[in-house]
Amino acid sequence: EVQVLESGGGLAQPGGSLRLSCIISGFAFSEHPIHWIRQSPGEGLEWVSTISGPDYLTFYADSVKGRFTISRDNSKNTLYLQMNSLRAEDTALYYCTTVENGGYADHFEYWGQGTLVTVSS
Amino acid sequence: QSVLTQPPSASGTPGQRVTLSCSGSTSNIGSNGVHWYQQLPGTAPKLLIYRDNQRPSGVPDRVSASKAGTSASLAISGLRSEDEADYYCAAWDDILRGWLFGGGTKLTV
Repeated sequence: EVQVLESGGGLAQPGGSLRLSCIISGFAFSEHPIHWIRQSPGEGLEWVSTISGPDYLTFYADSVKGRFTISRDNSKNTLYLQMNSLRAEDTALYYCTTVENGGYADHFEYWGQGTLVTVSS
Repeated sequence: QSVLTQPPSASGTPGQRVTLSCSGSTSNIGSNGVHWYQQLPGTAPKLLIYRDNQRPSGVPDRVSASKAGTSASLAISGLRSEDEADYYCAAWDDILRGWLFGGGTKLTV
């Protein structure tokens, strides 16, 4: 069974930094793309970033480009999201999601429960 | 980032059939698979339909979906109270090189 567990959320000041982590177990971690998707309170889903499987291609939403960095450590089955220059509008529940049979342009099959990021002074 | 277009709300009565729409463009829905997610209140999204019309195991066959050109639709028949949720469509965009989500449709039963 594939399990997804995010961590690292919390309170950060505007202009500050946070690093989110996502541990995925139950499948061949290194072979699969993984994504960060966020949801601001009371709002819809917004894609944040994607990293592909074997070739480590990365993609970012315009709203976070240049501020956020996605990376993965296949030896630890862990995905990261380094978030710098945080803004109030980055406040959201951040979900980690992946797919077992598909590429980075395929669907989001397994989801975690999310980790909450609050940016406020 | 532009979004796919979904009506903000829809409603139906128990047992009824409801159809939710999702409109995009040639670079997203017109070129790539459309996927649908159900989000019950206070929970993480759940994959409902993938690659335009494929149901993951565990999703009942009263849920179906289709795509034509740059639009897609999700149909739920035999509506139940537990179908009350937010529904999102999503597709990869070849020009943006990123994912797009619809704004979501809140279904009331």
